[in-house]
Amino acid sequence: DGGITQSPKYLFRKEGQNVTLSCEQNLNHDAMYWYRQDPGQGLRLIYYSQIVNDFQKGDIAEGYSVSREKKESFPLTVTSAQKNPTAFYLCASSIDLGGSIEQFFGPGTRLTVL
Amino acid sequence: AQKVTQAQTEISVVEKEDVTLDCVYETRDTTYYLFWYKQPPSGELVFLIRRNSFDEQNEISGRYSWNFQKSTSSFNFTITASQVVDSAVYFCALSEDFLVIQGAQKLVFGQGTRLTINP
Repeated sequence: DGGITQSPKYLFRKEGQNVTLSCEQNLNHDAMYWYRQDPGQGLRLIYYSQIVNDFQKGDIAEGYSVSREKKESFPLTVTSAQKNPTAFYLCASSIDLGGSIEQFFGPGTRLTVL
Repeated sequence: AQKVTQAQTEISVVEKEDVTLDCVYETRDTTYYLFWYKQPPSGELVFLIRRNSFDEQNEISGRYSWNFQKSTSSFNFTITASQVVDSAVYFCALSEDFLVIQGAQKLVFGQGTRLTINP
């Protein structure tokens, strides 16, 4: 089945450790995105990538890093510089429908930093 | 700057009642897109509808309907005869045309409305 896979569903890390969240898609979409969701808030864009080997900062990129070495994969690293990393992280990919772009979302990873 | 406001943080109704979720947006662009997503307890966002700024026709899909009014910058979502399975967090989102860059699109989300349908 085509879709977006994020693993693991739940992730626990100690404060000060870097952690990498996985995002894989087999939809052949060019663009991919990372969002952060905090309780009672909407999604905020961390990074996005239009094509392989290229990515742009979103609204809250500080303390995060990404790579896009393959079209299917867009891993997000939460570094120790991120002040408040505990959150729900959603990955998305998109297709251009010739007038508008529809984003498809993965199931998310809930990161808890202890 | 672009902004989406969903003033209703939580709504609770009894099954079979109709319920309307409000969405008000701000944008400086004349070409933009509005979206509604549903987030069930599993966490994944499910796409419901996309509407561009040039199409003010209301849309109906089964029990769901959307009312887009440019005059009031609103894009409200109504569920008719609600069911327990409609319980979820609903997000309204906005994308301006200039935010579509080389095939990628920056979405601005509202805070979400948690809808609970009680049996």
